[in-house]
Amino acid sequence: AQKITQTQPGMFVQEKEAVTLDCTYDTSDQSYGLFWYKQPSSGEMIFLIYQGSYDEQNATEGRYSLNFQKARKSANLVISASQLGDSAMYFCAMRAPSGSARQLTFGSGTQLTVLP
Amino acid sequence: DTGVSQDPRHKITKRGQNVTFRCDPISEHNRLYWYRQTLGQGPEFLTYFQNEAQLEKSRLLSDRFSAERPKGSFSTLEIQRTEQGDSAMYLCASSLTRGANTGELFFGEGSRLTVL
Repeated sequence: AQKITQTQPGMFVQEKEAVTLDCTYDTSDQSYGLFWYKQPSSGEMIFLIYQGSYDEQNATEGRYSLNFQKARKSANLVISASQLGDSAMYFCAMRAPSGSARQLTFGSGTQLTVLP
Repeated sequence: DTGVSQDPRHKITKRGQNVTFRCDPISEHNRLYWYRQTLGQGPEFLTYFQNEAQLEKSRLLSDRFSAERPKGSFSTLEIQRTEQGDSAMYLCASSLTRGANTGELFFGEGSRLTVL
């Protein structure tokens, strides 16, 4: 069975500093994809970044980077230079063949608050 | 705006009533998903369509729930004889068939259901 674990229910960061949101996953598949989504209070899930299990380089998208450690089965999200607008829920998700190649399994999320 | 749209955004109903939610995906997306999200949790997969065919249903989708996508475009999710445990945010998402893209899901803003 697939599982995503996010152990930080809430995190605080000072504006302009970097923050790391933790995500560990469990799958027996060799090929899988890892995603991070942001959910502001409006409710919409916003795609941030993707990492494929065979990608050798860590994914980066602007201020977002994914610290992918395959042996540890972790896919932590790093947000650099935090902004007040980064305050939101952040979800880690995985897609793997054994859990259906088409749908995502989500973690329970981390509420990030950026302090001025 | 050409994103995923959902209607209504909020619905309050009495226990035992039927409710229907509508989702209009991004026009060129052939895959459509329904997820349910309760407070403080990540989204949970309910069902998935490829074009008009419903290809997968979660165990969460009891026989009181029915989803359709009659012409492969918009979709409806109906809940019959609502129960208080049905109170949640119902999220719709769409995606393109995987290939060159990562297959990320594009979500709507959700339909929040409150059952009194």
